[in-house]
Amino acid sequence: EVKLVESGGGLVQPGGSLKLSCATSGFTFSDYYMYWVRQTPEKRLEWVAYISNGGGSTYYPDTVKGRFTISRDNAKNTLYLQMSRLKSEDTAMYYCARHKESYYGNYFDYWGQGTTLTVSS
Amino acid sequence: DIQMTQNKSSLSASLGDRVTISCRASQDISNYLNWYQQKPDGTVKLLIYYTSRLQSGVPSRFSGSGSGTDYSLTISNLEQEDIATYFCQQGNTLPYTFGGGTKLEIK
Repeated sequence: EVKLVESGGGLVQPGGSLKLSCATSGFTFSDYYMYWVRQTPEKRLEWVAYISNGGGSTYYPDTVKGRFTISRDNAKNTLYLQMSRLKSEDTAMYYCARHKESYYGNYFDYWGQGTTLTVSS
Repeated sequence: DIQMTQNKSSLSASLGDRVTISCRASQDISNYLNWYQQKPDGTVKLLIYYTSRLQSGVPSRFSGSGSGTDYSLTISNLEQEDIATYFCQQGNTLPYTFGGGTKLEIK
């Protein structure tokens, strides 16, 4: 059974840092690109980072570029998101998601249960 | 970026109804359209990929259709467990953007 379990969320002051983790099991982690997707308080879904299966390629939207760093440890089957210089607009539920690319396009076939980040003084 | 629009943020229906949720892309996405279900507890699940292909384990009362820029998700014979928010997502072009969601409620 595929499982993704996020942890590390919490309350952080503006300008602070936090590191999220996503522990995975039930599949060959090193075969898949992985994403972090967040859901804002307004319930909008937006991706904030992705990483290639080997970890050599990463990509971020402009909203978090330079502040967030995605990484992975394929030996530990774990995905990470290091967040720094946090802003109030980073407040969201953060999900890790497994990316599937096929003839049928690109989609997220498994999601974790999410971990909440609140940025507030 | 491709903009995804779900014109109804909420929708009310009765158990047993046939429900259709719509999604429009700002440009042709060549059927690379996916649907997700988010339950009230936050759990997110892939329902349909590539417009109409059912993810394994998804009940057959869910179906998808569409082409070009316009797509829809249909739930036939609405059940209580279908109460959730439904999001579309285009898988054609990076960044893979989502619609704003349609919250399905019981009338």
